[in-house]
Parts: sequence; C-alpha cells; structure tokens
Amino acid sequence: GAGVSQSPSNKVTEKGKDVELRCDPISGHTALYWYRQSLGQGLEFLIYFQGNSAPDKSGLPSDRFSAERTGGSVSTLTIQRTQQEDSAVYLCASSFGGSKETQYFGPGTRLLVL
Amino acid sequence: DQQVKQNSPSLSVQEGRISILNCDYTNSMFDYFLWYKKYPAEGPTFLISISSIKDKNEDGRFTVFLNKSAKHLSLHIVPSQPGDSAVYFCAAKGRGLNEKLTFGTGTRLTIIP
Repeated sequence: GAGVSQSPSNKVTEKGKDVELRCDPISGHTALYWYRQSLGQGLEFLIYFQGNSAPDKSGLPSDRFSAERTGGSVSTLTIQRTQQEDSAVYLCASSFGGSKETQYFGPGTRLLVL
Repeated sequence: DQQVKQNSPSLSVQEGRISILNCDYTNSMFDYFLWYKKYPAEGPTFLISISSIKDKNEDGRFTVFLNKSAKHLSLHIVPSQPGDSAVYFCAAKGRGLNEKLTFGTGTRLTIIP
C-alpha cells in the first residue's frame, strides 16, 4: 500500500500483560515517529527513528516502553506490564526526513488495558 | 506546559460559510507549522503547512495565516462543506532536522447543512 500501515488496529489486553504494536512506514521514508493520543488529549510524541537509530526517545513515559526499528523500515513499539493508563491510540508517522518534511500518519492502534 | 494551544474545543459553522480555526503557541523556537484533519477511527491527515518566513499559505479552500509577533496561526476554510466536519489539530516543530511535532488538543469542527 502507499500509506503508513499499523497493526493490530485494535488491541484489548489485561493489566500486566506485554503488548507489541507494529508500524510499516511509507516506502523510502527514513524518519519514523511514534505518538499516542489519550482520551480527550492531543497527540503526544513518544520516540523518533532516523534509519534504525533513535536519536530522540524523550517522550517515552516510562521504562516499560521501548521501540525498535529494523532494516530502516518496520518498527515495533513494546509496552511491558501494561497499566490502565496506557490505554490510548498509538499512532505512527513517517517522512523523508529534513526540517520541512511533512509527517504522514497511519490509522493507529487502539489499545485498551482492562 | 502546553506549548501549542487550541482554545476552542468545538466550532459549528453553516455550510458555505467560512470556518476559522485558531491556534496559539508559546515556544519562539517553533519554525514550521502544520494543520492536520482527523476523522474518527482514522489517523491524522495532513492539510496544509506554513514556514515561519511566510505569513500566508493557500491551497484551494484552505488558507493558513501566521502572525509571528502574536505567536498565533489560523486556518480558514472557505466555503465550508459537510465533509470538512472533523477534528482539526494544529502542530508545530522546530528548525532541526526530523524534529518531533508538538500538537494542540484539537478543535472539533461541525458543518451544519
């Protein structure tokens, strides 16, 4: 497909379980970003990748959150020992990189922690 | 500390009229500003952007105005159409390469037929 894809589209999990969220960026995009939107909130930055390295992890809310990117393409965001406050829509975006490059978003993964 | 603010959570506009969505920012290091539109259960869709060296950018029915001295930008949609009903997010980024976007909390626009 031409756009950013994310899977799963919805995830319901029990408190304490680990979850993995996947993002496939637009082909050729070197920069990849993770954001999340909690209920009634704006989008909150989590982490950014340039290629396979993550120069900016400043938005990760705790050490239960981690992300990796392999082959300069697919990225996974892992949340360990999920808590109810982790419930949110997790959005991935990609761009060609640069100071003026537009970020294009995927449809998001809706995570609900019970 | 909310660096990008959209003070109107909702706005209703008659079809055919002008919709004006406002956004204020506090960080003077922001250099590039974007508007995204979001439908329910979808990711944000890029609409229009503006660099800090400009004060206006126009694309079809959408125009973004930037007032750097007031740290204020606005999105004008004219004429408004029912398909414009969505949540609109203002976003800003700094001058560096691949900088993260800082978003406002969004304004829900409803176009009344």
